[in-house]
Amino acid sequence: VQLQESGPGLVKPSETLSLTCSVSGGSITTYYWSWIRQPPGKGLEWVSIIYSAGKTYYADSVKGRFTISRDNSKNTLFLQMNSLRVEDTAVYYCALVAVRLSSDAFDVWGRGTMVTVSS
Amino acid sequence: DIQLTQSPSSLSASVGDRVTITCQANQDISDYLNWYQQKPGKAPKLLIYDASTLQTGVPSRFSGGGSGTHFAFTISSLQPEDVATYYCQQYHDLPPLFGPGTTVDLK
Repeated sequence: VQLQESGPGLVKPSETLSLTCSVSGGSITTYYWSWIRQPPGKGLEWVSIIYSAGKTYYADSVKGRFTISRDNSKNTLFLQMNSLRVEDTAVYYCALVAVRLSSDAFDVWGRGTMVTVSS
Repeated sequence: DIQLTQSPSSLSASVGDRVTITCQANQDISDYLNWYQQKPGKAPKLLIYDASTLQTGVPSRFSGGGSGTHFAFTISSLQPEDVATYYCQQYHDLPPLFGPGTTVDLK
């Protein structure tokens, strides 16, 4: 499976941006999918997950502002980001969640796309 | 939320050295612990899952251990290509948080 994010952007605070992750080599309906971000020079922060059945969860920092979704027919994952804040500035990665008997893990990652929120 | 701490935050070692990084959880997470490697400018890469299982294709000089709240990640013989930041990550509960990272470079 390979992942490719798109939608890099420079936006102003309070604006909206949508990220896309194109999935190839596997069906998007088979796996769980996450978005993970990394502010410049900082560590990794999990953002959201969508399960194969469609259930979604979010980090508290983005709950109510971000929406994860997928288009099964296009094998594509999305992250709709509303009411963006300066602190949302980061590289955003999409990742495949491999489900195991014990610890699930982020097995496959995209290359990442930079989102800058600045006035 | 389950919080993870890593030690040290950075280290310098020579080629061939044995390097060990520790990761501590603030509550019992059994073996629901993964390790990732991130090289500068690149996406993270899964190295170890279930605390001690090597991901397919990962060199055997990498290993992990531990259970409960204390975990360790070891590079048995550091190679130049191992210069990177290493993160532990728990998947016992949501949110699946990462540790703060340990940066490894060459002395």
